[in-house]
Amino acid sequence: GQSLEQPSEVTAVEGAIVQINCTYQTSGFYGLSWYQQHDGGAPTFLSYNALDGLEETGRFSSFLSRSDSYGYLLLQELQMKDSASYFCAVRGSGNTGKLIFGQGTTLQVKP
Amino acid sequence: EAQVTQNPRYLITVTGKKLTVTCSQNMNHEYMSWYRQDPGLGLRQIYYSMNVEVTDKGDVPEGYKVSRKEKRNFPLILESPSPNQTSLYFCASSFRKETQYFGPGTRLLVL
Repeated sequence: GQSLEQPSEVTAVEGAIVQINCTYQTSGFYGLSWYQQHDGGAPTFLSYNALDGLEETGRFSSFLSRSDSYGYLLLQELQMKDSASYFCAVRGSGNTGKLIFGQGTTLQVKP
Repeated sequence: EAQVTQNPRYLITVTGKKLTVTCSQNMNHEYMSWYRQDPGLGLRQIYYSMNVEVTDKGDVPEGYKVSRKEKRNFPLILESPSPNQTSLYFCASSFRKETQYFGPGTRLLVL
């Protein structure tokens, strides 16, 4: 079956760098996505990696290693507004529309 | 403005009373999906649709129905709601399955 593992909570201070890891098990890999969700709000798409390496979008970067079935989201110059939950997601097996999300990592940024 | 809308945003109902949660997108996306979110369980996919008249089950389809008669609309139907369907529901749409736009969410309480 498919599954994703990410830490449940991460705490960091304002201005710091934090890394949120995601390991996955899936048959047939089509890429790893990351979403951000503020408390009570809708998830918003952050980044997508289909190939190995680092994708950078402003303060956020996402990395993928397909050989290790591993990826991470890197948040730099942390701001208080980055306090949120972060989810990784993969497509289910086969070229279908099934999507599997991790259980989410709650990031708390402290002053 | 590009958006996914859901109605109602909040709903309290009683066991067994049929209800429909509407979802509409104005981005001409082919792919649409429904999720439920429960504490500690992340986002779980209920149903998805790859295009008009094409729907398929996600991970937790029991107790739900969907239809896709038009590209922009993807309603979620609970024929006989039960208390275990109390949850936060999100609709999403996209051109590419990995990069989804989520609606604002519908909080459902089944008594």
